[in-house]
Amino acid sequence: NAGVTQTPKFQVLKTGQSMTLQCAQDMNHEYMSWYRQDPGMGLRLIHYSVGAGITDQGEVPNGYNVSRSTTEDFPLRLLSAAPSQTSVYFCASSYAASDTQYFGPGTRLTVL
Amino acid sequence: KNQVEQSPQSLIILEGKNCTLQCNYTVSPFSNLRWYKQDTGRGPVSLTIMTFSENTKSNGRYTATLDADTKQSSLHITASQLSDSASYICVVSRHSGGYQKVTFGIGTKLQVIP
Repeated sequence: NAGVTQTPKFQVLKTGQSMTLQCAQDMNHEYMSWYRQDPGMGLRLIHYSVGAGITDQGEVPNGYNVSRSTTEDFPLRLLSAAPSQTSVYFCASSYAASDTQYFGPGTRLTVL
Repeated sequence: KNQVEQSPQSLIILEGKNCTLQCNYTVSPFSNLRWYKQDTGRGPVSLTIMTFSENTKSNGRYTATLDADTKQSSLHITASQLSDSASYICVVSRHSGGYQKVTFGIGTKLQVIP
């Protein structure tokens, strides 16, 4: 099992550009989520999904979009990048929201 | 407000020594508490999970305790190794509208030196 994979590992964007962070898992987990991690703050939930076709907002959803067309994939879209979105982004998955989450290796995003 | 506070923010210890990390939370209604280990440049990895009725759980040299009455947890690391250098994150889950919602602490950055 590859577990949770994320691409790219690093990305630099200019303000206003859009991009998609990819996340995939091969553990047949229903629950997937996106977090951002900033210095001096705990991980904050951006969006989550409890199964294919079902997504919902987390704590800090503004400026991000998600979709879940398959169980395996849960991409995160930045619609118009802003410097405030400079962060490390983690994707995670679990069988259910209450179960232990398995995290991907992260994507370090810099917005200039 | 649902919060998780960890102390100390950072800690340096000598290899072979023990240490204890603290987590205080105000999350309610409580569902479970997890400790994660996050190596630099990697995603967090779960160490332990504790529910309301459990007050101690071990995973090798890691022992977590939970006092649900005082809303405190600790993570004790025995005979530290260089590979224990990492951030340790306390995560508390609560029930909310049929789903579980999680609150992450900022973490304690542990450095083990030879």
